[in-house]
Amino acid sequence: GNSVTQMEGPVTLSEEAFLTINCTYTATGYPSLFWYVQYPGEGLQLLLKATKADDKGSNKGFEATYRKETTSFHLEKGSVQVSDSAVYFCALTDTNAGGTSYGKLTFGQGTILTVHP
Amino acid sequence: DTGVSQNPRHKITKRGQNVTFRCDPISEHNRLYWYRQTLGQGPEFLTYFQNEAQLEKSRLLSDRFSAERPKGSFSTLEIQRTEQGDSAMYLCASSSRTGTDTQYFGPGTRLTVL
Repeated sequence: GNSVTQMEGPVTLSEEAFLTINCTYTATGYPSLFWYVQYPGEGLQLLLKATKADDKGSNKGFEATYRKETTSFHLEKGSVQVSDSAVYFCALTDTNAGGTSYGKLTFGQGTILTVHP
Repeated sequence: DTGVSQNPRHKITKRGQNVTFRCDPISEHNRLYWYRQTLGQGPEFLTYFQNEAQLEKSRLLSDRFSAERPKGSFSTLEIQRTEQGDSAMYLCASSSRTGTDTQYFGPGTRLTVL
């Protein structure tokens, strides 16, 4: 079955530091890959996504590249802010050969990020 | 587009009672998902509807759990004879069949079973 493994947290950084949160996956078929973020007291929000190998998803200064050869989708940001403090979830869903994703999301366990001024 | 809404936001109940949660998806989204999230964990899939048809159920969904989506619009998730282990955040998400099927999540219903 599908599975997602995230680096264990929590991660604590100073403002303007470089962020990497590792994510690796196991999947059959052609998964689409996602990063969701959960800010304190709020619901899950889609941060970025990539639907095929070598695609780069980006949003709000965050980036992640779909690496099929290493089955990874690591999240990076060059300079974090206090407002980035949240829980980050890597996830995948199956995609058919036509590129349309379908079905349930499989999530990693989440990584808590705390950014200090 | 007002987003996915869920009601109630919080529910406290005593063990053995029945509870029902409601999810209203983004209008015209024909896919609707239920997930459960416990503290410190990622969401786990429970069940999935396309229009009114329930297409997949997780083994996590015991016979005490039932979900419906009449007329392919809102959905309800009922838990009968609640147990303390049912305490969790119950999340609903919806997506469109077209495009990349990105799932948009509601704020969740937090269930506490005493």
